[in-house]
Amino acid sequence: QVQLVQSGAEVKKPGSSVKVSCKASGGTFSSFAFSWVRQAPGQGLEWMGGIIPVFDTTNYAQKFQGRVTVTADESTSTAYMELSSLKSEDTAVYYCARGVITVARGVQWFDPWGQGTLVTVSS
Amino acid sequence: SYELTQPPSVSVSPGQTARITCSADALTKQYGYWYQQKPGQAPVLVIFQDSERPSGIPERFSGFSSGTTVTLTISGVQAEDEADYYCQSADSSGTVVFGGGTKLTVL
Repeated sequence: QVQLVQSGAEVKKPGSSVKVSCKASGGTFSSFAFSWVRQAPGQGLEWMGGIIPVFDTTNYAQKFQGRVTVTADESTSTAYMELSSLKSEDTAVYYCARGVITVARGVQWFDPWGQGTLVTVSS
Repeated sequence: SYELTQPPSVSVSPGQTARITCSADALTKQYGYWYQQKPGQAPVLVIFQDSERPSGIPERFSGFSSGTTVTLTISGVQAEDEADYYCQSADSSGTVVFGGGTKLTVL
C-alpha cells in the first residue's frame, strides 16, 4: 500500500520561498508521476504542476510558471515543491499526489494523496 | 485551457440516489475522474476513467460519461457520503484541471 507523507506546516513571510517534501513508501517511485495540488481556505482544488521522475520531465500550470519548481529524488523516493515570491494569497494546504501515467494519454488521475501541508504566508 | 463545471451543491435524503455532473467540451475526448473530500482530510479517488471504481470504494459509487458530461452517481446514499466531490480531467500534454467542487448534503 503506497503512502505519501508530507513535511510539516510552515509559516512564511511575504516575498520568501517555501519547500515542501513528499516521501513515498510502499511502492515503486519511478513508475509514477507526482503532482502538487493546493487548496486555499474554503476553496476548491487547484493543480500546480508535477514531475515524472523516470523521465525527469516537469509540467506546470500556467498560473504558477516561473514561481513553482517541482523536483524528485529517486534515491529517497521523495518529491519536492518549491514556491517562491510568496504572497498572502498563497496561504493554503498543499497536497502531493501520485499520478497514474497511461501510455496514450500521459498523467491522468491521482491516487493516493499525501496528508497535506499547511503553508501560511503572513507578515 | 478549459473549465470543468459542477453544481455547487446537491442535497439528497438517506437511501436516495445522488447525481453530480461535470461538464466541458474537453470531456468528449478526455476521461473524467472523481474525488471525495471530507472536512480536514485529503481527497480520495472514487472513480477513474469515467466509470471505473478503485478497490475499496463501495459499489454504490458509479460513474458515467455521455458527450460533454461525466456523472458521479451515489446509489443508496448514506450519511457518511456527505462530503465535497471534485471532478478532474487531464489532456495529453499533462495539463490537469479540477472542477469547482460540489457539496453533497445528506438531509
